[in-house]
Amino acid sequence: SSELTQDPAVSVALGQTVRITCQGDSLRSYYASWYQQKPGQAPVLVIYGKNNRPSGIPDRFSGSSSGNTASLTITGAQAEDEADYYCNSRDSSGNPVFGGGTKLTVL
Amino acid sequence: QVQLQQWGAGLLKPSETLSLTCAVYGGSFSGYYWSWIRQPPGKGLEWIGEINHSGSTNYNPSLKSRVTISVDTSKNQFSLKLSSVTAADTAVYYCARGHIMITFGGVIGNWFDPWGQGTLVTVSS
Repeated sequence: SSELTQDPAVSVALGQTVRITCQGDSLRSYYASWYQQKPGQAPVLVIYGKNNRPSGIPDRFSGSSSGNTASLTITGAQAEDEADYYCNSRDSSGNPVFGGGTKLTVL
Repeated sequence: QVQLQQWGAGLLKPSETLSLTCAVYGGSFSGYYWSWIRQPPGKGLEWIGEINHSGSTNYNPSLKSRVTISVDTSKNQFSLKLSSVTAADTAVYYCARGHIMITFGGVIGNWFDPWGQGTLVTVSS
């Protein structure tokens, strides 16, 4: 079982704001990174570090953290944001670990 | 822009050894942790292990007894071997470049970017 917990599914109306969360004790010590994965494709990094976006990732994606919870926020969700989202951090042994993933549906 | 291209056998029988290679194009090989990650059909991501340019490795404890990751810096390539495969090892395997964020207090974060295209490995008799 993953040491990072994500809600299996979240939905958002087109143009609205959605927050996807990731919980785990290690998040008190480590930043989370976030990945978007569309069907049949490799994951793509969307947020890393405190709140950094790789080149090419729209600024509607942002990250935050509080206590044992990291969050990915999409402000003004678009149809193309419908995907699976995974958080990543480190476990109690310091090894990389992923959350179970959240399926985002844009209505 | 760095690109990762991976290849290897896609169909194995139980007890055989999985072997995949990932080539790195367009960037430095040093300063990163070159990683393997897998995803069983319909399931989430699982970190397998990593290697740096000098050959130092770190493996997922759940797979450590069966995993070997090696590096060929002359070719900018790294490889994964997973022995004694079973149907539970059926998955899409990805290579990825791992980054680590370090402060005076130690590691405070990590991320993977970019990723290879993925290779579906099926284990079936």
